[in-house]
Amino acid sequence: AQSVTQLDSHVSVSEGTPVLLRCNYSSSYSPSLFWYVQHPNKGLQLLLKYTSAATLVKGINGFEAEFKKSETSFHLTKPSAHMSDAAEYFCVVSGGTSYDKVIFGPGTSLSVIP
Amino acid sequence: DSGVTQTPKHLITATGQRVTLRCSPRSGDLSVYWYQQSLDQGLQFLIQYYNGEERAKGNILERFSAQQFPDLHSELNLSSLELGDSALYFCASSVDLWARETQYFGPGTRLLVL
Repeated sequence: AQSVTQLDSHVSVSEGTPVLLRCNYSSSYSPSLFWYVQHPNKGLQLLLKYTSAATLVKGINGFEAEFKKSETSFHLTKPSAHMSDAAEYFCVVSGGTSYDKVIFGPGTSLSVIP
Repeated sequence: DSGVTQTPKHLITATGQRVTLRCSPRSGDLSVYWYQQSLDQGLQFLIQYYNGEERAKGNILERFSAQQFPDLHSELNLSSLELGDSALYFCASSVDLWARETQYFGPGTRLLVL
């Protein structure tokens, strides 16, 4: 079985300050982990993914995430927030076999204050 | 533009009715996934097809069904609609069977059941 927890439903940061969005997962498999972003009234776009290669994963728009197996975490970070980063962020675990093949976290809404 | 198309963009219908949502995957992608996004349930995986065959079934109601055609486009059929079925329905496509590669999401179909 697989599950995903996003520890903060809402995060607010000032423009130019660091972003940290937290994600913890549980998986009976060797999981693949993803972060997707959803801007208002838009579809979802991949930010980055971990599929058992390097544990520090770099994505688009300056985002990165570190896979820590011992902590079952895959937190998303960015050194300096931009206004355009305001969106909903989803942590996703996949690689299951059927019912839990793809599990989305509940999402974290990121607000960026000018 | 993800390369995944969904029609229609919006659908308004009445309780008890049946609707069909259509999805065309990115060129070359064999997997199609369907998701439901609602305020109370978040983003939930419904079902996956790979090269015409059902390969994984998530939290999909018995009133819902899907299929993938030889040209790889997919349809999600929702019947005996209830008010609670009002949601945003996304499809996504990927190259792989195991949901370990990037999924490319369509813009979604917004369904309103009155």
